[in-house]
Amino acid sequence: NAGVTQTPKFRVLKTGQSMTLLCAQDMNHEYMYWYRQDPGMGLRLIHYSVGEGTTAKGEVPDGYNVSRLKKQNFLLGLESAAPSQTSVYFCASSYSPGLRNTEAFFGQGTRLTVV
Amino acid sequence: DAKTTQPPSMDCAEGRAANLPCNHSTISGNEYVYWYRQIHSQGPQYIIHGLKNNETNEMASLIITEDRKSSTLILPHATLRDTAVYYCIVRTGTASKLTFGTGTRLQVTL
Repeated sequence: NAGVTQTPKFRVLKTGQSMTLLCAQDMNHEYMYWYRQDPGMGLRLIHYSVGEGTTAKGEVPDGYNVSRLKKQNFLLGLESAAPSQTSVYFCASSYSPGLRNTEAFFGQGTRLTVV
Repeated sequence: DAKTTQPPSMDCAEGRAANLPCNHSTISGNEYVYWYRQIHSQGPQYIIHGLKNNETNEMASLIITEDRKSSTLILPHATLRDTAVYYCIVRTGTASKLTFGTGTRLQVTL
């Protein structure tokens, strides 16, 4: 049982390049989330998904796209990376919110630097 | 969304209890209080959650006031490994989004 796995763990991009971050969970969770964390700050929600084939915007969605084609995977895409997107990205998953008292499990993060 | 307020930092001697306060005065009746912690730059780790009753697990205790406007996370015997940023979060909305503030940086010292 691996929990939540993020790929890659580190990446350096040049401005304007594109990339996709992969989040995989093996807990059969309905809900998945992408957060970013900038130095000295808390996590901010980028996008989230309430189930396979559905996505929604969070607090800071601009510059990112997401897809949830399979229940276990949640992809975060940067179409044209900018230095402002330099951050640590965390993925999380949880059971459906009808069970509001369920915990969310987090991956170990992807450290992205855009130069 | 309910907001939370936490002190930016706290110190605690190793072996002593660490009591971390959180104010959530706008919490709704069906919203849960969650606590997570983040050690260094690792992914946040779930600690405990509660609705209105006090809760205890192997990691910590959670004390929620009767009016639910505030809560306290208690680490009964803090160790150096408990040094982390602790986030108090009210879980809200139909998507059960976790909204993080800046948390409390707990420093456990010898």
